[in-house]
Amino acid sequence: GAGVSQSPSNKVTEKGKDVELRCDPISGHTALYWYRQSLGQGLEFLIYFQGNSAPDKSGLPSDRFSAERTGGSVSTLTIQRTQQEDSAVYLCASSPPGGGRNTGELFFGEGSRLTVL
Amino acid sequence: QKEVEQDPGPLSVPEGAIVSLNCTYSNSAFQYFMWYRQYSRKGPELLMYTYSSGNKEDGRFTAQVDKSSKYISLFIRDSQPSDSATYLCAMMKSSTLGRLYFGRGTQLTVWP
Repeated sequence: GAGVSQSPSNKVTEKGKDVELRCDPISGHTALYWYRQSLGQGLEFLIYFQGNSAPDKSGLPSDRFSAERTGGSVSTLTIQRTQQEDSAVYLCASSPPGGGRNTGELFFGEGSRLTVL
Repeated sequence: QKEVEQDPGPLSVPEGAIVSLNCTYSNSAFQYFMWYRQYSRKGPELLMYTYSSGNKEDGRFTAQVDKSSKYISLFIRDSQPSDSATYLCAMMKSSTLGRLYFGRGTQLTVWP
């Protein structure tokens, strides 16, 4: 596909379990971003990758959250010991070289909807 | 207080109406201003982008930025039912290019 692909699209888990969310960016896009969209809260920045390194991870809400990117492509966001307040839609976005940083144009996936019971 | 404030609505207008959407912000470091549109169960997509102050027009859409008042607007002329979506304002600082600060979004419904 031509767009940003995220999986799973929906995930229901029990409090205390670990979850992994995957993002496959648009081919050739060097920058990758994770955002979280909670009900009534708008989108919150979590982490930014340039290639495989994360120069800005200041938005991760706690040390239960981590992310990695391999091969300059696929990224995984991991949430350990999930809590009910982690319930949200996790959105991944990518941008081409110089793109998002110059114009703010990010290409978003459809998100992974996480529900923690 | 959030750095970017946006009235969540909902806003409901008849087809053909002019729609005005607004955001205010508190941080003068914001230099780049964007409007994203998000349809239900989809990811946001960029609608308009403006650097610094001024107006920008694209078809039925006009974006305005007033940095002195820390206020941005999006106008939609001749609104259509297909414009029904959530509109998110977003802003970016020169020091953290690529990291966007979003408003909560305004839910718009255009009825035929």
